[in-house]
Amino acid sequence: DTGVSQNPRHKITKRGQNVTFRCDPISEHNRLYWYRQTLGQGPEFLTYFQNEAQLEKSRLLSDRFSAERPKGSFSTLEIQRTEQGDSAMYLCASSFGRAGADNEQFFGPGTRLTVL
Amino acid sequence: GDSVTQMEGPVTLSEEAFLTINCTYTATGYPSLFWYVQYPGEGLQLLLKATKADDKGSNKGFEATYRKETTSFHLEKGSVQVSDSAVYFCALNTNAGKSTFGDGTTLTVKP
Repeated sequence: DTGVSQNPRHKITKRGQNVTFRCDPISEHNRLYWYRQTLGQGPEFLTYFQNEAQLEKSRLLSDRFSAERPKGSFSTLEIQRTEQGDSAMYLCASSFGRAGADNEQFFGPGTRLTVL
Repeated sequence: GDSVTQMEGPVTLSEEAFLTINCTYTATGYPSLFWYVQYPGEGLQLLLKATKADDKGSNKGFEATYRKETTSFHLEKGSVQVSDSAVYFCALNTNAGKSTFGDGTTLTVKP
């Protein structure tokens, strides 16, 4: 399967714990995006990378959130001191090419986080 | 800022009925417009797209036309099937490439 993969698919944690999610984009894609989706809502942009550079972060991304993309390949999203409001589906997407409005993104299956 | 507004659901139709899901947008510049579909238990899949005014995107019998004058990108299908039951998201991309999504419309098609 050459699509975007995300691990784990599900994560249940207790409030206050740290969690880390991984995203493996399509191999030749240089751009990688993270979104968050809560029930009944559309995905909301969190951050994106072009190669290893993090180019934009949403105001939704509090100081407890950090994302990395070492060597421009896979990416990790870490949430420190999780809160119940962090419970959501975290989606990763990747695309190829220069920045542009017609840049088609390919989405992974998501990681569902539940904070108890 | 950029925003996408979709008609509220859920939408329930009988098989072979005509489908319209309304989508309007607000954006600076000249966005590209997309429709994504999410089947139960699966990830988002691109259904169709249009990159400039008056373009028509089409796929699997679904169509949508980029209307700049009305800032709309309504999704249509002439005859829906039970297998079309899913959540449909309208989205736009700006030159930065990130997407802004609507809240989704759940479609249920009954036999």
